[in-house]
Amino acid sequence: TQLLEQSPQFLSIQEGENLTVYCNSSSVFSSLQWYRQEPGEGPVLLVTVVTGGEVKKLKRLTFQFGDARKDSSLHITAAQPGDTGLYLCAGANFNKFYFGSGTKLNVKP
Amino acid sequence: NAGVTQTPKFQVLKTGQSMTLQCAQDMNHEYMSWYRQDPGMGLRLIHYSVGAGITDQGEVPNGYNVSRSTTEDFPLRLLSAAPSQTSVYFCASSYSAGTGNSPLHFGNGTRLTVT
Repeated sequence: TQLLEQSPQFLSIQEGENLTVYCNSSSVFSSLQWYRQEPGEGPVLLVTVVTGGEVKKLKRLTFQFGDARKDSSLHITAAQPGDTGLYLCAGANFNKFYFGSGTKLNVKP
Repeated sequence: NAGVTQTPKFQVLKTGQSMTLQCAQDMNHEYMSWYRQDPGMGLRLIHYSVGAGITDQGEVPNGYNVSRSTTEDFPLRLLSAAPSQTSVYFCASSYSAGTGNSPLHFGNGTRLTVT
């Protein structure tokens, strides 16, 4: 059972374009984290959001946690080739982390 | 500072063989966990531990055993390998899990193939 649904699954864009990745669930989470994973490596944390409606900005990346704490989005402004990678959302409840299936982003120069 | 260290990096097993995937962390984290990553499936939690001597099951625990005798180490044992266990396995640790406010620190994974 996949508690977290991510969309789109794949995204191939040109450098300079904007994009949004969505992470949706029917479950409520105490917090939601976004990770980025490079080939051959483990995921690395980008951000944690804990409050419903929270918006966090990390340079060109904007993260939002839904009011009901069931969904989240990641928006990248003016994507660069260095943003290429697998983006994963993860919801946390009671010592367990549930990951989405991931969005594979390719930014072409 | 090594962080989370997983060994081996690659492993090929025959069906029915057993083996142990090693995971060690040097950050004094209480929480440790094992995930498997399959194409299109994200990461799925196998087992986790909130401290030495305490372990619990995740989403996909069947066919795997764990133990936590020290804070630093959290080995994952495959009792009788099956082709369905072909996957990339990640170990992760965190200062505390609870509400998920602490980040997970991942190792670089073990790629396991069962023939």
